[in-house]
Amino acid sequence: DQQVKQNSPSLSVQEGRISILNCDYTNSMFDYFLWYKKYPAEGPTFLISISSIKDKNEDGRFTVFLNKSAKHLSLHIVPSQPGDSAVYFCAASAGGSSNTGKLIFGQGTTLQVKP
Amino acid sequence: NAGVTQTPKFRVLKTGQSMTLLCAQDMNHEYMYWYRQDPGMGLRLIHYSVGEGTTAKGEVPDGYNVSRLKKQNFLLGLESAAPSQTSVYFCASSWMGYGYTFGSGTRLTVV
Repeated sequence: DQQVKQNSPSLSVQEGRISILNCDYTNSMFDYFLWYKKYPAEGPTFLISISSIKDKNEDGRFTVFLNKSAKHLSLHIVPSQPGDSAVYFCAASAGGSSNTGKLIFGQGTTLQVKP
Repeated sequence: NAGVTQTPKFRVLKTGQSMTLLCAQDMNHEYMYWYRQDPGMGLRLIHYSVGEGTTAKGEVPDGYNVSRLKKQNFLLGLESAAPSQTSVYFCASSWMGYGYTFGSGTRLTVV
């Protein structure tokens, strides 16, 4: 049972345009959501996160939106740059007093930004 | 500033052989994790540890064992490797569940 789903395996956008990556989850206990970026032959690196008490978080060109009623989050990259080409993973955790930091990851979306 | 270091980076095993993957972190993090990445599956948690001497099962623990004898090291063992364990393995550490740092991965092929 996939608790975190990224239904688009790949996305291709033109440089300078907006990239929108989507993620759905099923577990209502998740209260913290993260996006990771991964280049080939490297480990994932943290990009941006959002707590369930917020519906939006921005960091430069990256914005994450959370819709709790729909159990959906999205990552917007504006403007997209060729260096953004990578695999993007959505992840979720259920924190609380017994937080162990276990992350449940989606399948990943490969973003290609064309010059 | 090494962060999280995984050894080896590549390994080919024959079915039935055993091996140990080593993860070392120099950030004094309490929590450490082992994930595996497979095509179309994302990263799945194998085992994790919330402190020296403690370990717990993740989503896909079967066929693996772990040990955390020292705070900075987290070892992942395969007692009898199977082709289904062909994967890329990532170790990570975090400060009390936040601020994950991943290693660069170990690519394991079981033939």
